[in-house]
Amino acid sequence: DAGVIQSPRHEVTEMGQEVTLRCKPISGHDYLFWYRQTMMRGLELLIYFNNNVPIDDSGMPEDRFSAKMPNASFSTLKIQPSEPRDSAVYFCASSLEAGQFFGPGTRLTVL
Amino acid sequence: ILNVEQSPQSLHVQEGDSTNFTCSFPSSNFYALHWYRWETAKSPEALFVMTLNGDEKKKGRISATLNTKEGYSYLYIKGSQPEDSATYLCASNTGGFKTIFGAGTRLFVKA
Repeated sequence: DAGVIQSPRHEVTEMGQEVTLRCKPISGHDYLFWYRQTMMRGLELLIYFNNNVPIDDSGMPEDRFSAKMPNASFSTLKIQPSEPRDSAVYFCASSLEAGQFFGPGTRLTVL
Repeated sequence: ILNVEQSPQSLHVQEGDSTNFTCSFPSSNFYALHWYRWETAKSPEALFVMTLNGDEKKKGRISATLNTKEGYSYLYIKGSQPEDSATYLCASNTGGFKTIFGAGTRLFVKA
């Protein structure tokens, strides 16, 4: 199994641009999580899905952030418009019952 | 508000030393406690998931215990090796797979 796949691995963009991060969970896993990691706040849960349905998005910082999971094998996290304070590493993770498997992360830099 | 706290923040040991660190979490509405190992520039790797009071899990030289009544878990590393150098994260969830991470304990093992 290839594990959780995220793309791109690195993204550099300018303030105001739209950013889309992508995640492919491990096949068969029914939970998908988006996390953001910063030096100041550590690892924060943004949103998670169960069977493609968003269950808890209380960690999403503001309306500029949105996440979708159109099918069991794909999810996106979109930031529009992006701001410099959004610069962070964004991790996607998936799980079946217990214990989450993390992707390699996307390092986002907003200039 | 759910707070997960880990101590110490960082730890420097010599190769061969045994070490342990603590994760404390609110004991109310407890569902599961996770330990992750996180190496620099990689994604977190699941070590243990524990759910029952008194649980003890072991993986090689690493073991963990759980006390859900008083809200703490210990992670032990026997005979530390340089390759054990990493950040060890614990995370607690109260059901629904909403997981809150501690800030981690950064372990440095000197050869």
